[in-house]
Amino acid sequence: EAQVTQNPRYLITVTGKKLTVTCSQNMNHEYMSWYRQDPGLGLRQIYYSMNVEVTDKGDVPEGYKVSRKEKRNFPLILESPSPNQTSLYFCASSLAASYNEQFFGPGTRLTVL
Amino acid sequence: AQKVTQAQTEISVVEKEDVTLDCVYETRDTTYYLFWYKQPPSGELVFLIRRNSFDEQNEISGRYSWNFQKSTSSFNFTITASQVVDSAVYFCALRYSGGYNKLIFGAGTRLAVHP
Repeated sequence: EAQVTQNPRYLITVTGKKLTVTCSQNMNHEYMSWYRQDPGLGLRQIYYSMNVEVTDKGDVPEGYKVSRKEKRNFPLILESPSPNQTSLYFCASSLAASYNEQFFGPGTRLTVL
Repeated sequence: AQKVTQAQTEISVVEKEDVTLDCVYETRDTTYYLFWYKQPPSGELVFLIRRNSFDEQNEISGRYSWNFQKSTSSFNFTITASQVVDSAVYFCALRYSGGYNKLIFGAGTRLAVHP
């Protein structure tokens, strides 16, 4: 089944404790992206990757890191999480051309205390 | 600037009513794509429709229909004979050719359909 998976689905952590949210897709998509969803703001892009070893900042990259060592995986790293990073995070993937729909993972609800 | 506005924060209707969710977008690109996604209470994002800027034909899919008007930069979504299962947050999104596939989302409209 074609899908985007994210782990963990729920995470409660404390300020400053490094964490990684994994994202994997099995559709051989070139493009992958991370978004965060906050009430009243919709979804905003954090980082994206056009292909292996090609990543760039989105609209709200501060406090996040990403890597794309393999085509299928695109982990999101919070080196020192803070409470303002409490949010719902979505990973998405698509074929390269902009007309293609993006497939979203199930979301990761992160709470930073 | 690229922007999507969903002015309706919340809408409440009674089952079987028709409801229209508004979406207004801004972009300077001539080539762009518009999307609607549904986010049910379970939280996942469900793709509903894609429209490109060169195709202004309206589309109907069962009880769902979409009205794309470039003259008013709008891409409205109508649910006919709403059902309780339609209760969700609905997002309109814009993807423009120069944006590296980035989706620009509106703030979303929460639709509550009551029995």
